[in-house]
Amino acid sequence: DQQVKQNSPSLSVQEGRISILNCDYTNSMFDYFLWYKKYPAEGPTFLISISSIKDKNEDGRFTVFLNKSAKHLSLHIVPSQPGDSAVYFCAASRGLAGNTPLVFGKGTRLSVIA
Amino acid sequence: EADIYQTPRYLVIGTGKKITLECSQTMGHDKMYWYQQDPGMELHLIHYSYGVNSTEKGDLSSESTVSRIRTEHFPLTLESARPSHTSQYLCASSTPGQGAEAFFGQGTRLTVV
Repeated sequence: DQQVKQNSPSLSVQEGRISILNCDYTNSMFDYFLWYKKYPAEGPTFLISISSIKDKNEDGRFTVFLNKSAKHLSLHIVPSQPGDSAVYFCAASRGLAGNTPLVFGKGTRLSVIA
Repeated sequence: EADIYQTPRYLVIGTGKKITLECSQTMGHDKMYWYQQDPGMELHLIHYSYGVNSTEKGDLSSESTVSRIRTEHFPLTLESARPSHTSQYLCASSTPGQGAEAFFGQGTRLTVV
């Protein structure tokens, strides 16, 4: 049973527009959430994170929103650039309780079209 | 900048061979992990370690084994490779404490023929 779900396998966005990637989780014990970016044949690289005590975290073009009541988070990228084309993984953990291993979703492949 | 290294990057090997995938980190992290990932699928945790001489199995059943004799080194071994082991193997490490992100190596793409 998947605890972290990314229901959109792919997303295409025009360069300069906003990309919105969504993630849902089922385990209410998760309190720390992360987004990773992955290119083929490479390891994931950390993008941005948020703890359950916040509902928004922003870092440059990347903003993550957390809705605890809906068990939903989203990653906004604005403006989107061709170099953002990659697979984006949502991950969750009981981080605030002592950093348990990350649980990942299946990823969303973002294509930014010039 | 993360300093975690995996070797080899790519490996093609015959069925029945014993293989060891290497993972080393120079950040002094206590926690290390092995994930397995197939295209279009999530990363599955197969092993983790919270320190020297500590290893645990992850959520995904795996025929591999790991060891943690030194803080910086976390190798994964397959005693007898099979085609079903074909996958990408990703090693990661993280600091202790609250909310620390995991840093990943570049991965090993294993193909068993």
